[in-house]
Amino acid sequence: EVQLVESGGRLVQSGGSLRLSCAGSGFTFSHYALSWVRQAPGKGLEWVSGISGSGNGAYYADSVEGRFTISRANSENTLYLQIHSLRVDDTATYYCARSPLMGRPFYAFQIWGQGTVVAVS
Amino acid sequence: DIVMTQSPLSLPVTPGEPASISCRSSQSLLHSNGYNYLDWYLQKPGQSPQLLISLGSNRASGVSDRFSGSGSGTDFTLRITRVEAEDVGLYYCMQGLQTPLSFGQGTRLEIK
Repeated sequence: EVQLVESGGRLVQSGGSLRLSCAGSGFTFSHYALSWVRQAPGKGLEWVSGISGSGNGAYYADSVEGRFTISRANSENTLYLQIHSLRVDDTATYYCARSPLMGRPFYAFQIWGQGTVVAVS
Repeated sequence: DIVMTQSPLSLPVTPGEPASISCRSSQSLLHSNGYNYLDWYLQKPGQSPQLLISLGSNRASGVSDRFSGSGSGTDFTLRITRVEAEDVGLYYCMQGLQTPLSFGQGTRLEIK
């Protein structure tokens, strides 16, 4: 079964740091670009960051540029999101999602994880 | 950055009746390869989003043929031929043409 499973979300204080993980299974991990999408409580979806299958191309939303770093370890089938200088408005459920291609454009997120919750106080 | 605008934001529908949602983008989503990079997603209550339609009109695997997408350039529409109770949730359009990607505000479909 093709699957993405996020982890690492927790309650953290404003200004702190956190690393989220997304483990993939059931497919050749390096063949697909991946993205992080977040959803604040009661709000809509917001694309945060995306990375190519090789890891050579990384892209960010303006709202997180400079504070978030996306990376991947293809040998471990794992996607990461390193978050620094956390703010209250980063509170959200963070989803990882898979594109159908190795690179851009990122679209058609057919596979989504269940999400991991980040709460910033 | 591309701004996505959906309407309506709330859509009460009687079961068995049709429904449609409009999505407009601030720039054309038509790529030089001829594809429109516009997706539609449904987020059912308490669940992760699921892909319904990609590239403007391509129904995703396993999606009911009651759902269809149309449009090109900056104007797109999601149509449901006969709404069922299981269709309740938030519908989002998303442009994938360029980063940063962007979603519409979401349309909440509810059953009358």
